[in-house]
Amino acid sequence: KAGVTQTPRYLIKTRGQQVTLSCSPISGHRSVSWYQQTPGQGLQFLFEYFSETQRNKGNFPGRFSGRQFSNSRSEMNVSTLELGDSALYLCASRMLQVLDTGELFFGEGSRLTVL
Amino acid sequence: AQSVSQHNHHVILSEAASLELGCNYSYGGTVNLFWYVQYPGQHLQLLLKYFSGDPLVKGIKGFEAEFIKSKFSFNLRKPSVQWSDTAEYFCAVNERWAGSARQLTFGSGTQLTVLP
Repeated sequence: KAGVTQTPRYLIKTRGQQVTLSCSPISGHRSVSWYQQTPGQGLQFLFEYFSETQRNKGNFPGRFSGRQFSNSRSEMNVSTLELGDSALYLCASRMLQVLDTGELFFGEGSRLTVL
Repeated sequence: AQSVSQHNHHVILSEAASLELGCNYSYGGTVNLFWYVQYPGQHLQLLLKYFSGDPLVKGIKGFEAEFIKSKFSFNLRKPSVQWSDTAEYFCAVNERWAGSARQLTFGSGTQLTVLP
């Protein structure tokens, strides 16, 4: 069974640009969550999508957005990039069904560097 | 809002030393508890998890954790660490709700360095 796949793995952008990251969840998983990982801050929750609808949202500015497609694949977009957006962006999927414990399965992440 | 605290940001041990990493959470209701590990250059993977039953849970690679409800704690332990345990460790908690579970909240992580 293939794991969570994220593309691209590495990218470099400059301030003011925008970026789109992609995530394919584990087959059968209908929920996709996005986290931002930075040194010392741990994982900060961005948002979760289920059945093409945003189910939960973290405390990030509106420059961070996402969407989910009918095949459960998800994208996140960051507009007007700032230096502080440099981070590892992690995608995670879960089954989200009755008795689901919330266990997340993570991809390897997309490392974004903003210059 | 729920929060998760990991008090040790960086722990350095010699091989064969015992390990205990602290994790405390703030939510007073029914919770699920997790420890994830991130080896250098690899994705986050589950070490162990607690949902109910025996508060002492065993995970992969000889790790175990104990849920102490009265202390809102879920500390991770290993009796004898190896160099290959060098990694970052994250505690995570979510609330059980209506037969399912809310979003995972993560601690800030503990970097463990094991010296050979």
